[in-house]
Amino acid sequence: QVQLQESGPGLVKPSETLSLTCSVSGGSISSYYWTWIRQPPGKGLEWIGYVYYNGYTKSNPSLKSRVTISVDTSKNQFSLKLNSVTAADTAVYYCARVSGGSRSPADYWGQGTLVIVSS
Amino acid sequence: SYVLTQPPSVSVAPGKTAYITCGGDNLGGKSVHWYQLKPGQAPVLVINFNTDRPSGIPERVSGSNSGNTATLTISRVEAGDEADYYCQVWDSNSDHWVFGGGTKLTVL
Repeated sequence: QVQLQESGPGLVKPSETLSLTCSVSGGSISSYYWTWIRQPPGKGLEWIGYVYYNGYTKSNPSLKSRVTISVDTSKNQFSLKLNSVTAADTAVYYCARVSGGSRSPADYWGQGTLVIVSS
Repeated sequence: SYVLTQPPSVSVAPGKTAYITCGGDNLGGKSVHWYQLKPGQAPVLVINFNTDRPSGIPERVSGSNSGNTATLTISRVEAGDEADYYCQVWDSNSDHWVFGGGTKLTVL
């Protein structure tokens, strides 16, 4: 059974960089897409972006150039960096595995981690 | 950019059938996936590729997609079905994922 676990600071100051890591267990990170999704308090899901195990990435244009998603196959992990954060970036951040190509769904999800942006 | 529209809320009595819709331009030509979100829990994929149920999802949960509307149908609704439901597609024009705004299912 594939399991995902998000880790990282729960509190980030405005204008700084939010950094999260997703650790994958029970399966290899190879041959899959891996995605980050967030949910601001009281709002809906927002797709942040995904990374293929070979390093190919795609991100939501609404986040412009603030997003960096990377993968470390040696550690079976992938990561999210979101720079120049504001209060609007406060959300529960989920990592998930994409079951196939980019048109496939997210079939395994982490529990999510709440990140608050505040001074 | 591609937009998916869901009703904010749907209410249904126990034992009845809930219909949750997801609307989008020519949505029938895309693959729609549905997720269930409950507070404090990891989201669960309940329908993928319009109609397919992942392992562990009961047969009373089904999906359809035609024209401009996809529908998640939950028959014989139980209290445990109370949750937020989101539809999602991959927009091939932009190579992006898109989520609907979510529908809160309330079991009366």
